[in-house]
Amino acid sequence: GAGVSQSPSNKVTEKGKDVELRCDPISGHTALYWYRQSLGQGLEFLIYFQGNSAPDKSGLPSDRFSAERTGGSVSTLTIQRTQQEDSAVYLCASRSTRFKTQYFGPGTRLLVL
Amino acid sequence: DQQVKQNSPSLSVQEGRISILNCDYTNSMFDYFLWYKKYPAEGPTFLISISSIKDKNEDGRFTVFLNKSAKHLSLHIVPSQPGDSAVYFCAASLFTGNQFYFGTGTSLTVIP
Repeated sequence: GAGVSQSPSNKVTEKGKDVELRCDPISGHTALYWYRQSLGQGLEFLIYFQGNSAPDKSGLPSDRFSAERTGGSVSTLTIQRTQQEDSAVYLCASRSTRFKTQYFGPGTRLLVL
Repeated sequence: DQQVKQNSPSLSVQEGRISILNCDYTNSMFDYFLWYKKYPAEGPTFLISISSIKDKNEDGRFTVFLNKSAKHLSLHIVPSQPGDSAVYFCAASLFTGNQFYFGTGTSLTVIP
């Protein structure tokens, strides 16, 4: 099955360290989203990529967060100088341009100690 | 500011009965709505959607109702099954938009 995959599935890091989270979208999906779900919260939009257009970064909570998407496929979300409040599940989703349905990956559970 | 709200964090229902999950939104410009289901340690999976030109959409045991004047939608599951136990998220967007706004989720437990 060629669903959305994310790695690592779990990440424990120390405060102040940088982390990279990876997302492999469904082949052919031009749109890619990153969300964050903190404990007891809903899905918080972080960033959106569509084809070769400039990404919509309006949801990134601080300049410690950045993301890129190489070759219109794989995406990496980078969090620099992690803080304890960054602990959350980071979810990636992709969709085709034609349909509104997003397909989510299993998420990366990040714990910052 | 939460534009999509699910005010019930949890719901318990007996197997075979109806489950009704509710969602309210504040932005009257939203015109496309979706429900997702999430099991622990998995990503959300799409369940059913509705556009604002409709007030009802049905797919098997799942029906979504949209009340635009009240800015309210609900998901009905009939009959409820133990496998339906999961967290349900509603989401909204502009049909021409790319951003989706999610509620905080309702945890449904179907009791055998």
